[in-house]
Amino acid sequence: ETGVTQTPRHLVMGMTNKKSLKCEQHLGHNAMYWYKQSAKKPLELMFVYNFKEQTENNSVPSRFSPECPNSSHLFLHLHTLQPEDSALYLCASSPSGGYTGELFFGEGSRLTVL
Amino acid sequence: AQSVTQLGSHVSVSEGALVLLRCNYSSSVPPYLFWYVQYPNQGLQLLLKYTTGATLVKGINGFEAEFKKSETSFHLTKPSAHMSDAAEYFCAVNLNQAGTALIFGKGTTLSVSS
Repeated sequence: ETGVTQTPRHLVMGMTNKKSLKCEQHLGHNAMYWYKQSAKKPLELMFVYNFKEQTENNSVPSRFSPECPNSSHLFLHLHTLQPEDSALYLCASSPSGGYTGELFFGEGSRLTVL
Repeated sequence: AQSVTQLGSHVSVSEGALVLLRCNYSSSVPPYLFWYVQYPNQGLQLLLKYTTGATLVKGINGFEAEFKKSETSFHLTKPSAHMSDAAEYFCAVNLNQAGTALIFGKGTTLSVSS
């Protein structure tokens, strides 16, 4: 079983749809992250949760709504997206928000907005 | 503000040749530095990291990097490239020493030819 699991791996949605991305970590970590990876752009940090509390929102549009019900699960709810939101969305975890080491990434959810 | 610059979005080498991927950073505090690798359709995997201590850091798959404070660099090297090294490589820096998230460079795609 991989450390950080993301579902679905691929998602195609229209601009009026509502969908969700799910992330689950089996590493016993307390911090979870959403990153957006677009072609030819650096990875963009979207949200950070530490012990289920959101500690960072990097000016993300409200059409992206995160949810962290517990330290093992992280969701990204999507609604009325734009074509430019098409990207690979990566979830990551770390032992805690104060941890200064590496992040552990899932394989990503490839989102296409039509 | 902290930032990471990777020189060269694409590097091509022959199998058996030296691999050199460049990374420069700017940080107002002593940085923690990381190199990640991403294979097609996968998430990011940690190659190596520098936090404190020895400035020459060895990682997985024969890669190593040297932290040079005077040059604000953390270049990644491998003496002899293998076909399986073809992937995208990301340099990253900690936001601050007690930070929660990494700032990534734009990435360098490494191609290896036979």
